[in-house]
Amino acid sequence: DGGITQSPKYLFRKEGQNVTLSCEQNLNHDAMYWYRQDPGQGLRLIYYSQIVNDFQKGDIAEGYSVSREKKESFPLTVTSAQKNPTAFYLCASSLGPPSSYNSPLHFGNGTRLTVT
Amino acid sequence: AQKVTQAQTEISVVEKEDVTLDCVYETRDTTYYLFWYKQPPSGELVFLIRRNSFDEQNEISGRYSWNFQKSTSSFNFTITASQVVDSAVYFCALRGGDNFNKFYFGSGTKLNVKP
Repeated sequence: DGGITQSPKYLFRKEGQNVTLSCEQNLNHDAMYWYRQDPGQGLRLIYYSQIVNDFQKGDIAEGYSVSREKKESFPLTVTSAQKNPTAFYLCASSLGPPSSYNSPLHFGNGTRLTVT
Repeated sequence: AQKVTQAQTEISVVEKEDVTLDCVYETRDTTYYLFWYKQPPSGELVFLIRRNSFDEQNEISGRYSWNFQKSTSSFNFTITASQVVDSAVYFCALRGGDNFNKFYFGSGTKLNVKP
């Protein structure tokens, strides 16, 4: 079955360390996204990518970095510059524009990051 | 600017009650898409329905129904005869505006269905 795989499910890091969250999809989707969710809050967009080797900042990109070297993969690095990194991180994908604007987002199971 | 408002932070009902989750959106565009997602305790968001701005037909899928009204910029979601398995956080989202690559999410409504 096609889907989005995020690993690991739980991740613990010490403050000051960079950490990379994995996201892989086999849906053949062009577009991929990273969202952050804090307790009791909605989703905030960190970065998104429409095609390989290209990505754009979302609303809260500071302290994060991404790469898109392959269509299937969109890893997110949480750097030590991110002041409040503890959160639930969701990766998503969708068909790319322009003919697929009605395409919904498909989400992975998420990674819960705790930084102490 | 695009915005989605879900004013109900949390709703509690008893099993078999009907419940409506409200979603109000803002956009200046004539072409846009609306979505509902369910987030169970496991965390993954599950896509429920999409509606484009040119299709105001209401939709029913089993116990779920959606009421799209452009006149009031609302896209409400009703669960009939709620069940404990419906307990989750529900998000409404809008895709459109100057950047069709972006989805705008509401803050979510947490639904608690008690037995």
